[in-house]
Amino acid sequence: AQSVTQLGSHVSVSEGALVLLRCNYSSSVPPYLFWYVQYPNQGLQLLLKYTSAATLVKGINGFEAEFKKSETSFHLTKPSAHMSDAAEYFCAVNDPNTGNQFYFGTGTSLTVIP
Amino acid sequence: DTGVSQDPRHKITKRGQNVTFRCDPISEHNRLYWYRQTLGQGPEFLTYFQNEAQLEKSRLLSDRFSAERPKGSFSTLEIQRTEQGDSAMYLCASSLVRTTDTQYFGPGTRLTVL
Repeated sequence: AQSVTQLGSHVSVSEGALVLLRCNYSSSVPPYLFWYVQYPNQGLQLLLKYTSAATLVKGINGFEAEFKKSETSFHLTKPSAHMSDAAEYFCAVNDPNTGNQFYFGTGTSLTVIP
Repeated sequence: DTGVSQDPRHKITKRGQNVTFRCDPISEHNRLYWYRQTLGQGPEFLTYFQNEAQLEKSRLLSDRFSAERPKGSFSTLEIQRTEQGDSAMYLCASSLVRTTDTQYFGPGTRLTVL
């Protein structure tokens, strides 16, 4: 069974401050992990993914995430928040052996304060 | 590559009516997925197709729901005798079989059942 838990349904940061969105996973097999962003009334856009290569993954728009097996975590960070980063962020996990479905967290809404 | 498209973007219906949604995947993608996203939650897997074959269905897909992909291209999701609990965003995604870890999402169809 696979699942993810996103700690903090709402996060507020000042423009230019560090963004840290937390995700912990549970998986019976070595997982693939993903971060998606969703803007209002739009679908999900892939930010980055971990597929068992480098544990530090760089994505679009300056985001990165580090896979930590010992902590079962895959937290998303960005050194300096921009107003355009305000959105809903979802962490997801899937089984690389099947790839059939993703299991998403409940999401974290990021607000950027000017 | 025009991306995944969904139609309609919004649907308002009365309880008990039937509704049908359409998804057009990226043209060369042979896998197509349906997800449901309720307010404040992450997307939940409903079903997926490989070409025209429906290979997996979630327990969330009650007998009032039916999905088809008759020619292995576009797909339809029908909900019969809609209930207020069906109100949600219905998301479609597509991928290649060899890269199922990269699913591309459409903008979704937002269903409101009155």
